[in-house]
This record gives sequence, structure tokens and C-alpha cells, in this order.
Amino acid sequence: QSALTQPASVSGSPGQSITISCTGTSNDVGAYIYVSWYQQHSGKAPKLMIYDVSNRPSGVSNRFSGSKSGNTASLTISGLQAEDEADYYCSSYTRSSTVVFGGGTKLTVL
Amino acid sequence: EVQLVQSGAEVKKPGESLKISCQGSGYSFTNYWIAWVRQMPGRGLEWMGVIWPGDSGTKYSPSFQGQVTISVDKSTSTVYLQWSRLKASDTAMYYCARPRGSSTNCYDRWGQGTLVTVSS
Repeated sequence: QSALTQPASVSGSPGQSITISCTGTSNDVGAYIYVSWYQQHSGKAPKLMIYDVSNRPSGVSNRFSGSKSGNTASLTISGLQAEDEADYYCSSYTRSSTVVFGGGTKLTVL
Repeated sequence: EVQLVQSGAEVKKPGESLKISCQGSGYSFTNYWIAWVRQMPGRGLEWMGVIWPGDSGTKYSPSFQGQVTISVDKSTSTVYLQWSRLKASDTAMYYCARPRGSSTNCYDRWGQGTLVTVSS
């Protein structure tokens, strides 16, 4: 199974909004609602930010939102803050009952 | 408080065996999947496989099937990841992770990571 496709990097200024895409296939992203997004700061363990396409765990800012259309999921961060600078990974459950991650996107807050 | 505590960093030589651990506490250990995730230096996250501690049932990524073994000791609430013959390419940070509820795929609890270095 191949990794989901994410842009290597995105950037934005404080206060702006950015969107990170995550493209899979009809065997993973397109097959289920089970798409998650993780934030990883350098040297830290990943943190769940979005699950089941668009749900936020308790404690995650409502500046983070998720959506999906067909085989592509998206993470949007509004009102960018310096603390949002991190690596972001999507993941999806697959028809093979496994999980696949995206390659990761480095977010730079200018 | 839910916690996943992993064993410490390891330095090994190619060809050696290794078993690292992840101990869960603060929840019903046998009722949640535990996954292992690899992160090679400067690279992304890779899902390796999962285990259901209740019956030791496992599922592996095709990329890791036959390369590693995931096991569990219910008596100590500990999940293991082991290699029989390490390679230099196994050098990575390894995380264990527990999903939300009955899910198998969205991980809201993570261990602190175990750094494995394989070098001659």
C-alpha cells in the first residue's frame, strides 16, 4: 500500500488560513470516513487533531477543521498562530484493515 | 490518567535481536487496540501493525509483515515489538499508540517513543 499524498510544505502568515490536502484512493480515503489528522512538533510524539474526517477531540482548537471529497481529504487551519508551525500527517483506514499515513506536510508560519 | 510508557533507547549491531515495550495504564488494557508506528530520521510516520490485547490478534502492514513481531503480555499490560535480526535500516523512532474507543485507526494516546539505533 502506498502512502497518502500530501504537499511537502505549506506556509502562511499569522491570522491567515491554510489548507493541507491528502490524496488517497478508493481503497482508503475514498472508502471510509476514517480519516485522521495529526500534528507533530519537532522531537515530540504526534497529537491527534481531527478524526473521522471532521471531528475534533476535546481540547483541540476549533481553528482546526477537516473535510473530504472523494479520494481527497483536507485539513484547514484558520487564524494561523506561531504555535501551529509543525508537521502534519493524515491517515486513513484501508480496505485491507490496515492504516496508511500520508507523507507529511511541513507548515511554516511566516 | 491514560498512559503509554515505552522502554528506553537502544543501540544495537546489525544482526542482533531486540524487543522493545509499551506498557499501558489508566484504562482497561484488553479493550483497546495498540499500534506501532515507525518514524525514520527526518521522515514521516509509517503504520507497522496493531494488536488486540484481549486475544493477541494482530494485523500487519504489508511493508512490515515478516519483518517484525508484535506480541502482548496481559499480566503486565505490556505490548512488545521485536526483531530477530536487526538491519541498519531499522534505525528509527518507534511509537506505540492507542486509538479512541473501539476504533483501530485514530490514535489519541501515544507513548513517548523509543529510539532504536542499529550501527556496526
